[in-house]
Amino acid sequence: SQTIHQWPATLVQPVGSPLSLECTVEGTSNPNLYWYRQAAGRGLQLLFYSVGIGQISSEVPQNLSASRPQDRQFILSSKKLLLSDSGFYLCAWRQGGKLFFGSGTQLSVL
Amino acid sequence: KQEVTQIPAALSVPEGENLVLNCSFTDSAIYNLQWFRQDPGKGLTSLLLIQSSQREQTSGRLNASLDKSSGRSTLYIAASQPGDSATYLCAVSHGGSQGNLIFGKGTKLSVKP
Repeated sequence: SQTIHQWPATLVQPVGSPLSLECTVEGTSNPNLYWYRQAAGRGLQLLFYSVGIGQISSEVPQNLSASRPQDRQFILSSKKLLLSDSGFYLCAWRQGGKLFFGSGTQLSVL
Repeated sequence: KQEVTQIPAALSVPEGENLVLNCSFTDSAIYNLQWFRQDPGKGLTSLLLIQSSQREQTSGRLNASLDKSSGRSTLYIAASQPGDSATYLCAVSHGGSQGNLIFGKGTKLSVKP
């Protein structure tokens, strides 16, 4: 069966520090992968999606970037975090029209 | 631009009640609509997926309906239980190779024992 792993579960980082969040999927090949952010009081916002290795599409201009170095690996990064980057980050993959989510990373930028 | 609205933002009911959560969307040209459940601090769990050609889907005590032309969907929960307490999110997809979803802000449900 397919599973999605996301880590870490929580992260506290100072402003200006770098960020790397990793997501991996097991049990499937060539999945569409997504990064969403859920900020307090707001809905989920799509940040990036990828339909294959090295293929990244950005939905909103921001301080973050994404990479897909392997078929089942999706990484969210930042060189210098801002306070506004705080939020709950969710990785997801798509199968048969459905989206399946990882357990999320709660990022607090202080 | 597609916008998804969920009403009410929060709902509190006594255990055993039947309840309805509402979702509306502005662009009716959707590919499908999905309902999710989110527990505090956790990821999203998919509950039901309705394709644009379908009118409803059922899973156990849950029934989701879709009226695409009017831009509405409802999630009906029968005989609610305290374990149903969570935030319920609806999301629409316009299909395509990216298949990304546009989410509402959710309805926070509390079922009191």
